[in-house]
Amino acid sequence: DTEVTQTPKHLVMGMTNKKSLKCEQHMGHRAMYWYKQKAKKPPELMFVYSYEKLSINESVPSRFSPECPNSSLLNLHLHALQPEDSALYLCASSLGVGQPQHFGDGTRLSIL
Amino acid sequence: AQSVTQPDIHITVSEGASLELRCNYSYGATPYLFWYVQSPGQGLQLLLKYFSGDTLVQGIKGFEAEFKRSQSSFNLRKPSVHWSDAAEYFCAVGRPMEYGNKLVFGAGTILRVKS
Repeated sequence: DTEVTQTPKHLVMGMTNKKSLKCEQHMGHRAMYWYKQKAKKPPELMFVYSYEKLSINESVPSRFSPECPNSSLLNLHLHALQPEDSALYLCASSLGVGQPQHFGDGTRLSIL
Repeated sequence: AQSVTQPDIHITVSEGASLELRCNYSYGATPYLFWYVQSPGQGLQLLLKYFSGDTLVQGIKGFEAEFKRSQSSFNLRKPSVHWSDAAEYFCAVGRPMEYGNKLVFGAGTILRVKS
């Protein structure tokens, strides 16, 4: 069982919709990450939050908007997405310096 | 800049046979190295990690990996493969940051197990 919980597991949305992905962990980790993974590719880092502050934004388009309301919760708000944004979105968390990241099972996003 | 090469895109082994997945990295300092496994439709599960110390690292599910600095390698091994090991395997090098580490993944190796 994964200790990082992502909801929903699947999401289908139109290009004009607004939706949000949610990620939750209760391991006391202070860093949380969003990744995008296309089929047959490794995960690509999108955002990193450290102590609830945005630390890294890997030049992600503004149609993706992250939010970290508290140390256990990470959201990814989606608006006006494009078909090429269809992918598996993975959340991860880590405890501290050099420590491994623990991943959730992801949200499979399809843009119509 | 850090990088990871997994030379084998696909590997097929018979159930019960031994397995070795190759990983070569490029990093300017002592690396933090990880192996993750991903089953279809699922997230990544950490198999093992190397930070320092003993160069032979034991992980979950009977996997081990050996860090060889002279060869810049961190190959994953298992003495006897089970059908449930069929999955995609990612090697990653981590650059330590205050919050954890920034991972760079290899392209992955898809393992197929034949009975």
